[in-house]
Amino acid sequence: DQQVKQNSPSLSVQEGRISILNCDYTNSMFDYFLWYKKYPAEGPTFLISISSIKDKNEDGRFTVFLNKSAKHLSLHIVPSQPGDSAVYFCAARTKYGNKLVFGAGTILRVKS
Amino acid sequence: DTEVTQTPKHLVMGMTNKKSLKCEQHMGHRAMYWYKQKAKKPPELMFVYSYEKLSINESVPSRFSPECPNSSLLNLHLHALQPEDSALYLCASRNAPAGSEKLFFGSGTQLSVL
Repeated sequence: DQQVKQNSPSLSVQEGRISILNCDYTNSMFDYFLWYKKYPAEGPTFLISISSIKDKNEDGRFTVFLNKSAKHLSLHIVPSQPGDSAVYFCAARTKYGNKLVFGAGTILRVKS
Repeated sequence: DTEVTQTPKHLVMGMTNKKSLKCEQHMGHRAMYWYKQKAKKPPELMFVYSYEKLSINESVPSRFSPECPNSSLLNLHLHALQPEDSALYLCASRNAPAGSEKLFFGSGTQLSVL
């Protein structure tokens, strides 16, 4: 049972344009969401997070939007840079829980 | 120091070998995690230690044995592994109980079981 779903296995974007990565979840008990970026043979690196009491969080070029009614979140990267090319994982956590559940990941390729 | 250090980076072992993976952090985090990641799959939780006590075991086979000797160290002892156990093993830590919810990951140990 996949509680966190990233339905797009890959995304290709031109340098300077916007990248939008999507994530859906099924567990209404999730109260905290995170995005991680991962390069091959390295551990995931934290990118940005959002609490369920918010609908938007921004950090530089990265913005995460949360639509609780649709159980959907998205990561916007503007402008996209070639160094952003990596696998992006959406992750979610339940309140008081110790577990972080990851989506399958989306491979982002930014072309120069 | 915001690093989680894992050793070794690469490990090749036979099915009869015994080996250990090591993880160290000096951020004062009191929750530490082992994840397993197969190629093109998301990280899958194996174990969680909270205040040096095992709090979550995701029904991991007994050929994987975790150990948390102190608040900075986390080990994963391996014995009689199978080829399908080949994967990237990731250690992570978190500032439990309060503070950021984010996990800090190490670079992982790429394990190959022959």
